[in-house]
Amino acid sequence: DAGVTQSPTHLIKTRGQHVTLRCSPISGHKSVSWYQQVLGQGPQFIFQYYEKEERGRGNFPDRFSARQFPNYSSELNVNALLLGDSALYLCASSLVLAGGPETQYFGPGTRLLVL
Amino acid sequence: AQSVTQLGSHVSVSEGALVLLRCNYSSSVPPYLFWYVQYPNQGLQLLLKYTTGATLVKGINGFEAEFKKSETSFHLTKPSAHMSDAAEYFCAVSEAGTALIFGKGTTLSVSS
Repeated sequence: DAGVTQSPTHLIKTRGQHVTLRCSPISGHKSVSWYQQVLGQGPQFIFQYYEKEERGRGNFPDRFSARQFPNYSSELNVNALLLGDSALYLCASSLVLAGGPETQYFGPGTRLLVL
Repeated sequence: AQSVTQLGSHVSVSEGALVLLRCNYSSSVPPYLFWYVQYPNQGLQLLLKYTTGATLVKGINGFEAEFKKSETSFHLTKPSAHMSDAAEYFCAVSEAGTALIFGKGTTLSVSS
């Protein structure tokens, strides 16, 4: 089975532009989470979606938004890009278990460079 | 609020030596704990996880970790390091089983 896939793998944008990152979860996984990993740091939680509904949101500005589609794939959108948005953006998918922990499986990431 | 502290941003060992990567967590409720590994220019791979039950957890590639509630620790160990173990290691905590809170990571270097 294919793992979590993300596109594009690399992206270069300039300040003020908009970017859309895409993620396809593991087959059968209905939850998708997004994380931002700045160089030299651990990943920071941005969003989680389950069944097309936002299930959780991290401490990120409103320039960041996301959505999940009926096939459970997801997009992360970032408006008005800043230099500080340069990072590796990771997508993770998981099964949602009633009352239990969810193991998140990560994709390879999209590396965004803002100039 | 949940948090994770990884002691030592960089650990260096010789091939065949014991690997010990330290992780301490803060959580108001019994946590779920995870260790992930990240190789250069790749995403995160799950090494092991603690949910409930046995406090000694075995993972892939010969790694294991022990949950110690009294010490709020979840240190990662491997008896004998291989060159292929060189990577970045992240400890993470999740209270509600949803969002992961990661530590800053520990870079493991293995010399021959």
